[in-house]
Amino acid sequence: DGGITQSPKYLFRKEGQNVTLSCEQNLNHDAMYWYRQDPGQGLRLIYYSQIVNDFQKGDIAEGYSVSREKKESFPLTVTSAQKNPTAFYLCASSPTDSRYGYTFGSGTRLTVV
Amino acid sequence: GESVGLHLPTLSVQEGDNSIINCAYSNSASDYFIWYKQESGKGPQFIIDIRSNMDKRQGQRVTVLLNKTVKHLSLQIAATQPGDSAVYFCAESLAGGFKTIFGAGTRLFVKA
Repeated sequence: DGGITQSPKYLFRKEGQNVTLSCEQNLNHDAMYWYRQDPGQGLRLIYYSQIVNDFQKGDIAEGYSVSREKKESFPLTVTSAQKNPTAFYLCASSPTDSRYGYTFGSGTRLTVV
Repeated sequence: GESVGLHLPTLSVQEGDNSIINCAYSNSASDYFIWYKQESGKGPQFIIDIRSNMDKRQGQRVTVLLNKTVKHLSLQIAATQPGDSAVYFCAESLAGGFKTIFGAGTRLFVKA
């Protein structure tokens, strides 16, 4: 079955640590996205990538970094510079043009301890 | 700036009744609109979409209506079932753009 897989489902981070969230898709989609979701709020775009080796900042990129070395993979690193990282993180992919809908992963819930 | 908003943060309906979830958008240049359903602890799932050259589109038990004059989008769910309980997001895709903007979501409760 084609799909998009995020891991881990739950992640705990200590103050000052960097953590990396995994996102893998086997849908042959060119575009991939990372969103952050806080309670009572919608989805806010962190980073997106249209093609391999290229990515763009979204609306809340500060404190995050990404890479796109392979078409299938778009990992997100939450750095120590992100002061309020506790949130639900969603990865999505789509064909080249976002006007065909997104396929989302099941999310990673990150908590700072 | 552009925004996609929802009129009601929560909606409670009786099982078997029809549900209507509303959404307002502000960018008249948006040409593609999508409804997503998100169940607790899961990622959003695509429900139905509509392009700006259409006023109505029907799926299985769901209908999306687009009123470009007042920049309003609605999702109608017929014969609402307990499994429909979730948060519903509307989203708009900007013409020629690559990003989709999501609204805050409406939580739908279905009472048995």
